[in-house]
This record gives sequence, structure tokens and C-alpha cells, in this order.
Amino acid sequence: NAGVTQTPKFQVLKTGQSMTLQCAQDMNHEYMSWYRQDPGMGLRLIHYSVGAGITDQGEVPNGYNVSRSTTEDFPLRLLSAAPSQTSVYFCASSPQRGLGLGEKLFFGSGTQLSVL
Amino acid sequence: QKEVEQDPGPLSVPEGAIVSLNCTYSNSAFQYFMWYRQYSRKGPELLMYTYSSGNKEDGRFTAQVDKSSKYISLFIRDSQPSDSATYLCDTGGGNKLTFGTGTQLKVEL
Repeated sequence: NAGVTQTPKFQVLKTGQSMTLQCAQDMNHEYMSWYRQDPGMGLRLIHYSVGAGITDQGEVPNGYNVSRSTTEDFPLRLLSAAPSQTSVYFCASSPQRGLGLGEKLFFGSGTQLSVL
Repeated sequence: QKEVEQDPGPLSVPEGAIVSLNCTYSNSAFQYFMWYRQYSRKGPELLMYTYSSGNKEDGRFTAQVDKSSKYISLFIRDSQPSDSATYLCDTGGGNKLTFGTGTQLKVEL
């Protein structure tokens, strides 16, 4: 199993450009999520999904869109990139539909995004 | 006030030292508590988890939770240079986890 795969690893955008960060997992996990990690702020939840067709907002959803058409894929879309979205983005998945019992999160290796 | 507070460090210790990493949390409804380890330029990986107050031991690592004071600790015995990483505490209930900011640890030879 490849686990959680994120692409690209690095990306530079100009303000106003759009792009999609890709996340795929081959573990048949129901739960998938996107975090951003900034110095001094830790990991902050952007959006999450508890299964195909179901998404919900996290702590910092503004400026980001998600969809979950398949169990395997959970892309994150930046519609109009802003310098404040410069960050490292992590996708994570978990076996269970919900995290009520504290199921382990499996993280991808991250995408480093710079918005100029 | 953030829901989970963690001293960002950096914390530098000599090889073989006992390391104590700590977090406090504010929501008494949080049900489970985890520690993730993150090496530079990598994603976090789960190190320890517990659902209740008390201690849980795994090799050189001990996780401790005190729900009455909302305090979470991770102890590392006989620290090694390979333990140099950022340690994030994580807690929550339901579908949203709340991470601390992470403590950067460096174990020096």
C-alpha cells in the first residue's frame, strides 16, 4: 500500500491563480481531511469528509473548496490564491467513518505552497 | 484562548536525558488524547494514544493524562538523537481533532 499520497510536493502560485491539491489513499479509509500547518499555529483543520459525497467545514475553511466523489480521492481547491494561503498542507485519512473513538490519522507527506 | 496549548520550544537535551513534553486543554468533553511525532519535512505519525486518565507506556515512551487538571504529558526515557522531531499533542471528540502547536525537540550527542 502506498498509504496517503499528496501531489504536488511543492507549488508556487501568483495571487489570484487557482489550483487543486491532490490527495489519494489506497487503504479504503472512510474519513479524509485537509490540514494546513503554519509556524506558531500548529495543524488547523480546513475541511473533512466522513465518506463519499459527504464533506464538512473545519476550523479554517474560507478560500478552500473540497469534494469527495470517490472513497479514494479528496482534492482541495484554491479558487483564488492569496498570500495568506502560503502554508504546508497535509491530507490525512482514518479507517472509521467518524473519529469518535480517537482513530489514528494517517498523514501524507505534505504540499508546500507559496503564493506570491 | 486556544483549546490546546503547547510550549513550542525549542527544547534541547543531551542524549540519555529524560524528556517531558506537556499540553493543556480547555474542553472537558475531550475524550481521547494522542501524541504525534513529526520529522522535518514529513507528515505527522501517531506515537501514543490514550482514552483515559493515567499512564500508558510503550518502550521508552510514557503518555500521561490528568483529566481533572486537563493536562497531557509525554515522557521520553533515555532520549536518542533519532528522537529529534516536533511532537504534537492532539485531543478531541467527534470528527474534529484539535492539535497543539507542537514542541520542537533536539537531542544532542
